[in-house]
Amino acid sequence: KQEVTQIPAALSVPEGENLVLNCSFTDSAIYNLQWFRQDPGKGLTSLLLIQSSQREQTSGRLNASLDKSSGRSTLYIAASQPGDSATYLCAVDSSYKLIFGSGTRLLVRP
Amino acid sequence: EAGVVQSPRYKIIEKKQPVAFWCNPISGHNTLYWYRQNLGQGPELLIRYENEEAVDDSQLPKDRFSAERLKGVDSTLKIQPAELGDSAVYLCASSYAGTPEETQYFGPGTRLLVL
Repeated sequence: KQEVTQIPAALSVPEGENLVLNCSFTDSAIYNLQWFRQDPGKGLTSLLLIQSSQREQTSGRLNASLDKSSGRSTLYIAASQPGDSATYLCAVDSSYKLIFGSGTRLLVRP
Repeated sequence: EAGVVQSPRYKIIEKKQPVAFWCNPISGHNTLYWYRQNLGQGPELLIRYENEEAVDDSQLPKDRFSAERLKGVDSTLKIQPAELGDSAVYLCASSYAGTPEETQYFGPGTRLLVL
């Protein structure tokens, strides 16, 4: 059974810092891995989708990497801003079904 | 383009009462998903539709939960009777063809509190 774990559960950083969020999964047989952002009281917004054949994806200040063999992904956020404060969720698609981690709650202090 | 629409946004009911949630997916999206998100957890899939057919309902507690997607567009998720443990956010998502190459687009969710 696929399990997804995210570390840390919460993170507080000063504005401008570069930071890394971690995601690990137990079954490497995945179609893709996605990173989502969730703001309080809102739905999820897809940030990056990495296909199983890819190693990384970039969008603006965000860079996500995927190492299928070790069951790990990282989301790198450069020059963090207060507007980046949200919960970041990692999800893997291994059977046409997304399996989510519990998320990392990020606070970027001005 | 309008996103995924869900209603109501909030619902408070007493246990043993019925409740229903409605979802209107993005126009043209054939695949629709219902997820449940407990506090501090990631969403968990309840049911996935391709057009009007439920292709994965393995996680749906069928003793009290039911769902329908008539005409392959809007969908309704029902709980009857509700239990205290059903308090959660119910998220609807849609995608064009449900393939792994596509992302899913999520609605804002319905926050349910069962007293």
